[in-house]
Amino acid sequence: RKEVEQDPGPFNVPEGATVAFNCTYSNSASQSFFWYRQDCRKEPKLLMSVYSSGNEDGRFTAQLNRASQYISLLIRDSKLSDSATYLCVVGRTDSWGKLQFGAGTQVVVTP
Amino acid sequence: GAGVSQSPSNKVTEKGKDVELRCDPISGHTALYWYRQSLGQGLEFLIYFQGNSAPDKSGLPSDRFSAERTGGSVSTLTIQRTQQEDSAVYLCASSLKTGRGYTFGSGTRLTVV
Repeated sequence: RKEVEQDPGPFNVPEGATVAFNCTYSNSASQSFFWYRQDCRKEPKLLMSVYSSGNEDGRFTAQLNRASQYISLLIRDSKLSDSATYLCVVGRTDSWGKLQFGAGTQVVVTP
Repeated sequence: GAGVSQSPSNKVTEKGKDVELRCDPISGHTALYWYRQSLGQGLEFLIYFQGNSAPDKSGLPSDRFSAERTGGSVSTLTIQRTQQEDSAVYLCASSLKTGRGYTFGSGTRLTVV
């Protein structure tokens, strides 16, 4: 079983709509959580950290459910420029900062 | 530097040749990571450096792969006797502290023909 699992999508979203997707992680020792964004043929870029109480950054909202071991990302008022692959990333305190990357969820925002 | 710098950005090499990939992390970042990403795949961890030492080399696919870091800064990933399955984008990332998010370089796209 992969340590971080994501629905690969694609999630086809009309411009202006809301899209949400989850990822699950298998290791209960996980302590740090992030969402990265990766555009086609580009490097991953940090979108936001995910905090226990949930957090928001503009149109993006991240939630963490430790009991069920999943993380979610919600994008409101989708823009064409939000089209990308979103990587769920998890780190453990017992592994010196090594981050485990999910394979990504593709989001395609259509006009 | 302002960001993580990797060179070369593209490398085409013949099967059996050795290649060196370079990573220059963000100044002051003590943690440095190498990952690779094959076409359409997720990121595969290769090796981690804290300063000049590599506490975790568990992701290196074979003994043809090696890496070093000098002066707590620049790192070089060397692949000996390249094989076609080594073709991938090799990504370097650095972090100020372990447990924080990484900043990635733009990667080296390696093609073995």
